[in-house]
Amino acid sequence: EDQVTQSPEALRLQEGESSSLNCSYTVSGLRGLFWYRQDPGKGPEFLFTLYSAGEEKEKERLKATLTKKESFLHITAPKPEDSATYLCAVQARGSRLTFGEGTQLTVNP
Amino acid sequence: NAGVTQTPKFQVLKTGQSMTLQCAQDMNHEYMSWYRQDPGMGLRLIHYSVGAGITDQGEVPNGYNVSRSTTEDFPLRLLSAAPSQTSVYFCASSRTGEAYGYTFGSGTRLTVV
Repeated sequence: EDQVTQSPEALRLQEGESSSLNCSYTVSGLRGLFWYRQDPGKGPEFLFTLYSAGEEKEKERLKATLTKKESFLHITAPKPEDSATYLCAVQARGSRLTFGEGTQLTVNP
Repeated sequence: NAGVTQTPKFQVLKTGQSMTLQCAQDMNHEYMSWYRQDPGMGLRLIHYSVGAGITDQGEVPNGYNVSRSTTEDFPLRLLSAAPSQTSVYFCASSRTGEAYGYTFGSGTRLTVV
């Protein structure tokens, strides 16, 4: 059974204070690992797909990396508008995704 | 381009009532799915479809039915609502064949009293 564990559950940062979110996964035959951003009252918004260990993707202040057991979402010099819940998901068979519970990020000005 | 459209946005049901949550996408995506999101439990897959006429169960299918008569629409039916079905429901779609990211709708917040 595919499993995804995200840590920490919640993270508070000061504006400009860089940090990382963790996504550990157990899956048989990873086809892709996904990161999503979810704002309160809205559906998740796609950020990145990573396909193989060693791969990295960047978008503005966010950088996602992948190893054989985990993925990190690095946030460099965050701003209050980066506050959201960040979800990690894995895809092993077909098109089904298994999601973690998410990390709720708050960036204070 | 509307993406994935869910209706209604909010709904209150009495225990035992039935209703249908609507989901439509205009991206010609083959894959569509329904998730429920509950505090502390993340997104859990209810049902999914890989194309018109094909549906299958996810991890929490009990109490829900789906059908896929067209590529665009994937309605979720609650047969006899229970308080345990109080949740936020999301519809998502994607292309198939590779690891594509999902496009999600904005959700339906359902309360069963």
